[in-house]
Amino acid sequence: EDKVVQSPLSLVVHEGDTVTLNCSYEVTNFRSLLWYKQEKKAPTFLFMLTSSGIEKKSGRLSSILDKKELFSILNITATQTGDSAVYLCAVENGGSNYKLTFGKGTLLTVNP
Amino acid sequence: SAVISQKPSRDICQRGTSLTIQCQVDSQVTMMFWYRQQPGQSLTLIATANQGSEATYESGFVIDKFPISRPNLTFSTLTVSNMSPEDSSIYLCSVKQGMDTEAFFGQGTRLTVV
Repeated sequence: EDKVVQSPLSLVVHEGDTVTLNCSYEVTNFRSLLWYKQEKKAPTFLFMLTSSGIEKKSGRLSSILDKKELFSILNITATQTGDSAVYLCAVENGGSNYKLTFGKGTLLTVNP
Repeated sequence: SAVISQKPSRDICQRGTSLTIQCQVDSQVTMMFWYRQQPGQSLTLIATANQGSEATYESGFVIDKFPISRPNLTFSTLTVSNMSPEDSSIYLCSVKQGMDTEAFFGQGTRLTVV
C-alpha cells in the first residue's frame, strides 16, 4: 500500500521566517510527487517533481526530490500571512491508474 | 491548466437521500477522478471515472454507494447514495490532461448530512 508521511503536522511562524516542510513516501510504482496548497476546499497545484536533485522554484517557494531516500522538501522563504494554509504532499502511482496518495498535510500558520 | 467547474459548492442533506455532484471541464481531459476528504483528514481516492465504461473503485468504495458517470471527456458526476452522517465530507473532482501532467482539482463540494 502506498504511503505518504508529512512533518511537521503543524507549524506556527512569524512573517519573514523561512520554513521547510517534509514529505517521505513509499510507493510501488513511482511516477511523480506533487505539492498542493489547500486554503479552503480546493487544493491548488504548486509543484510536480519527477527527477531527483532538480530544484523547482516559483517565487518564494521551492521544492526538491530525493528518489534514493524517498523524500521531498518544500521551502518557503520570507513567509507572508497569505502563505497560511495546509500544504499537501502526494505521490502518483504510475501502475495504478495514476492514483494520488496524499499525506495528512502540514498546517502552516504565519502570524504578522 | 484546465478550468474545472464543480457544483454544488455545498449542500445540507437529510439522511437516506442522495446527492449528485457535477464536474465540468472546459477542455477534453484524459483522466477524471473523485476524491473524498473527511473532516480533519487528507484526501482519499474514491474512484477513477472512465469515459464510456464503469468507474474503477478503490478498496472500501462500491458502485452502489457512489455511482459515477462519465458520458464524455469533459463531464462526470458522482452520486452519494442513501446518505448517513458519516458521508459528511468534502468531495473533490480532479483531472489530468495527459499521463505526464499534473492533476488539478475542482472547487470541491462540502456535504453535510443531518
